[in-house]
Amino acid sequence: AQSVTQLGSHVSVSEGALVLLRCNYSSSVPPYLFWYVQYPNQGLQLLLKYTSAATLVKGINGFEAEFKKSETSFHLTKPSAHMSDAAEYFCAVSEVPGGYQKVTFGTGTKLQVIP
Amino acid sequence: EPEVTQTPSHQVTQMGQEVILRCVPISNHLYFYWYRQILGQKVEFLVSFYNNEISEKSEIFDDQFSVERPDGSNFTLKIRSTKLEDSAMYFCASSASGKPTDTQYFGPGTRLTVL
Repeated sequence: AQSVTQLGSHVSVSEGALVLLRCNYSSSVPPYLFWYVQYPNQGLQLLLKYTSAATLVKGINGFEAEFKKSETSFHLTKPSAHMSDAAEYFCAVSEVPGGYQKVTFGTGTKLQVIP
Repeated sequence: EPEVTQTPSHQVTQMGQEVILRCVPISNHLYFYWYRQILGQKVEFLVSFYNNEISEKSEIFDDQFSVERPDGSNFTLKIRSTKLEDSAMYFCASSASGKPTDTQYFGPGTRLTVL
């Protein structure tokens, strides 16, 4: 089964600083990778996804992620953090083990943005 | 923009009672999912549903759980006899095609508290 590992359960950055949230995957086949964001008391919202079309994926709210096969990584970045980016971020991998899509999530990283 | 809705937003029940969590997926989607998130833990896959059948289920989804699409719009998760450890946030999701590249759209969740 495929899996993702998120390094760092909590990350703090200053407003305007670079955001880097780490995700590594484990997969025997080319993975399909996603980043979701969860704002307090809300559901999961898709930020971006990698479907093998391009290694650098741009998402909503200025986020992007780069798929690096050699490092088995799919880290999420944003050049300049905004207060509204404070949320929990989940990396996820999608597979079809029995012919139907199954998404497996990482443990999540809570992003704190300090004014 | 179409969205997945869930009711109720919060359900409190006594241990041993039956609960039904309700979801209205996006109208033209064909694949439906339930996930749960125990407080402080990661989002876990429970079950996927397509063509009025369970297509995939996790080890968590035991005989106490069942899913149903009683009409053309609702998708429900029933827990027959709730246990304390069933306390969690339950998310419903839907997708159009079920392919690994497909985006699953999540509802806002139902927080289930078992006393």
